Amino acid sequence: AQRVTQPEKLLSVFKGAPVELKCNYSYSGSPELFWYVQYSRQRLQLLLRHISRESIKGFTADLNKGETSFHLKKPFAQEEDSAMYYCALEETSGSRLTFGEGTQLTVNP
Amino acid sequence: EAQVTQNPRYLITVTGKKLTVTCSQNMNHEYMSWYRQDPGLGLRQIYYSMNVEVTDKGDVPEGYKVSRKEKRNFPLILESPSPNQTSLYFCASSKKDSSVYEQYFGPGTRLTVT
Repeated sequence: AQRVTQPEKLLSVFKGAPVELKCNYSYSGSPELFWYVQYSRQRLQLLLRHISRESIKGFTADLNKGETSFHLKKPFAQEEDSAMYYCALEETSGSRLTFGEGTQLTVNP
Repeated sequence: EAQVTQNPRYLITVTGKKLTVTCSQNMNHEYMSWYRQDPGLGLRQIYYSMNVEVTDKGDVPEGYKVSRKEKRNFPLILESPSPNQTSLYFCASSKKDSSVYEQYFGPGTRLTVT
């Protein structure tokens, strides 16, 4: 069965510091991976997906199939980045999305 | 405005009293899904639907029912709610973008079962 693990439930950094949110997965097929973000009192929304190889709000994520990881990185964190971040894996068929436990990121001034 | 709506947003009920949480999307999406969000457990999928009249169980379907009679609506039914179903519920819908589905989430329904 597919599984997504986010080992850090809480992560706190200072403004301007680099930040890395870890995500590891297990899946027998070819994974589609995403990062979703939930800002305070807002709905969950897509941040980025590995297939697009894009940078959104300064965040990037690289799929490492050898290490089965999809860590989210940003070189200089901003206070407005404070939010709950979820890593998610989608089955190849597109039928199911499995989320990790989430990491609450706090960026301190 | 393209969106996913849920009603009610907040609900307090008692054990055993049947309830329905509605979900509607105006984006003509084929795929819809229900999740529950619990601290430390993230989001867990309850049920999903690939199209009208096609539904399937997710990871935690026990105690829930769904129906998909129309493309835009995907209600979640709790026939006999219990306290362990107290949670924050999200409905989501998705379109097909290349080979990848991007999910759009509703605002959430906070349910308390006493």
